[in-house]
Amino acid sequence: AQSVTQLDSHVSVSEGTPVLLRCNYSSSYSPSLFWYVQHPNKGLQLLLKYTSAATLVKGINGFEAEFKKSETSFHLTKPSAHMSDAAEYFCVVSGSYKGLTGGGNKLTFGTGTQLKVEL
Amino acid sequence: SQTIHQWPATLVQPVGSPLSLECTVEGTSNPNLYWYRQAAGRGLQLLFYSVGIGQISSEVPQNLSASRPQDRQFILSSKKLLLSDSGFYLCAWSGGGNEQFFGPGTRLTVL
Repeated sequence: AQSVTQLDSHVSVSEGTPVLLRCNYSSSYSPSLFWYVQHPNKGLQLLLKYTSAATLVKGINGFEAEFKKSETSFHLTKPSAHMSDAAEYFCVVSGSYKGLTGGGNKLTFGTGTQLKVEL
Repeated sequence: SQTIHQWPATLVQPVGSPLSLECTVEGTSNPNLYWYRQAAGRGLQLLFYSVGIGQISSEVPQNLSASRPQDRQFILSSKKLLLSDSGFYLCAWSGGGNEQFFGPGTRLTVL
């Protein structure tokens, strides 16, 4: 079984200050991990993904995340927040479906972290 | 490049009425397709997934059904809507990698 825990439901930062959104995961095998962002009434956009290559993953819009196996963490960071970063962020772990030929992957979502950016 | 479309964008339906939401993907072949529901304060719930035409797997027993009549078309249906069916419905696709790519969503309100 796999799961993710997002440690903060709400994070508030000032524009220009660093962003840290925390995520811990649980997986019985080497996982694929993702961060998605969702702006109000929009679909989810993939920010970045970890798939067992480099442990420091760079994504879009200046975000990056570091995979730490010893801490089972995959925290999302950005050096300087922008007003446009205000959104909900989801940490996600991927596993495989069994049963149907051709496979398919199951995403397990965290409960989300609402990021607020203030002037 | 690949794109995913959903329609309608918003829908208001009375209790007991039927439902049909459509999702189409362009720019890829034989994608895996997924339907999710996002209810307020409850995160994303996987409803159905499909690895090919006519192959549908249901994750959660419910008032909804899904069909895949064509390779890049995924339809979510209901014969009689319930109040609890209200939510934000998201379609997604995946290819060779583990990541999924999401459509813009449909906001369904059942009154």
